[in-house]
Amino acid sequence: EVQVVESGGGLVQPGRSLRLSCAASGFTFADFAMHWVRQAPGKGLEWVSGISWNSGFIHYADSVRGRFTISRDNAKNSLYLQMNSLISEDTALYYCVKDRRYSADYYFDYWGQGTPVTVSS
Amino acid sequence: DIQMTQSPSSLSASVGDRVTITCQASQDIRKYLNWYQQKPGKAPKLLIYDASNLETGVPSRFSGSGSGTDFSFTISSLQPEDFATYYCQQNDNLPSFGQGTNVEIK
Repeated sequence: EVQVVESGGGLVQPGRSLRLSCAASGFTFADFAMHWVRQAPGKGLEWVSGISWNSGFIHYADSVRGRFTISRDNAKNSLYLQMNSLISEDTALYYCVKDRRYSADYYFDYWGQGTPVTVSS
Repeated sequence: DIQMTQSPSSLSASVGDRVTITCQASQDIRKYLNWYQQKPGKAPKLLIYDASNLETGVPSRFSGSGSGTDFSFTISSLQPEDFATYYCQQNDNLPSFGQGTNVEIK
């Protein structure tokens, strides 16, 4: 069974940093692109960042480019999101999402349950 | 950036009704349009990809159509478990989602 489990969320002050992790199982992690998608409280979905199977292609939404860094460790079946210079608008539930292809083609076929991030003083 | 406009933002319907949601892209996205279902407190679920292809295991009462800039999503006979929020998402370029359509019980 495909599973992706996020961790690392929490309450953080504006301007500080947070690192999210995602542990994957039930599929060959190294064969698929992965993404982070977020959802602000009571709002819709926003794609944040994606990374291809071999980290050769990495993309960011304009809203986080220059502040967030996505990475993966295929040996550990893990995806990460380093979030720096956090602002209140980053408050959201962050989902780790599997792509159905090895390149970042943006077909989101499996989602975790999300880890909440709250940016507040 | 490609903007996705979904309508309506919400609708009320009864079990057995036929429900249609539309999604319009701000530019030509060819066939690269996907539909997701999200129930309260749950993660989204992929239902339809490439405008009209049903994801494995998704009931056949769900369907999608369209190409270019105009797309639609239909539930042919609404079931109790279908009350949820539905999102369109384009993947012709960096992905973007519609604002969602909340399907409520009438």
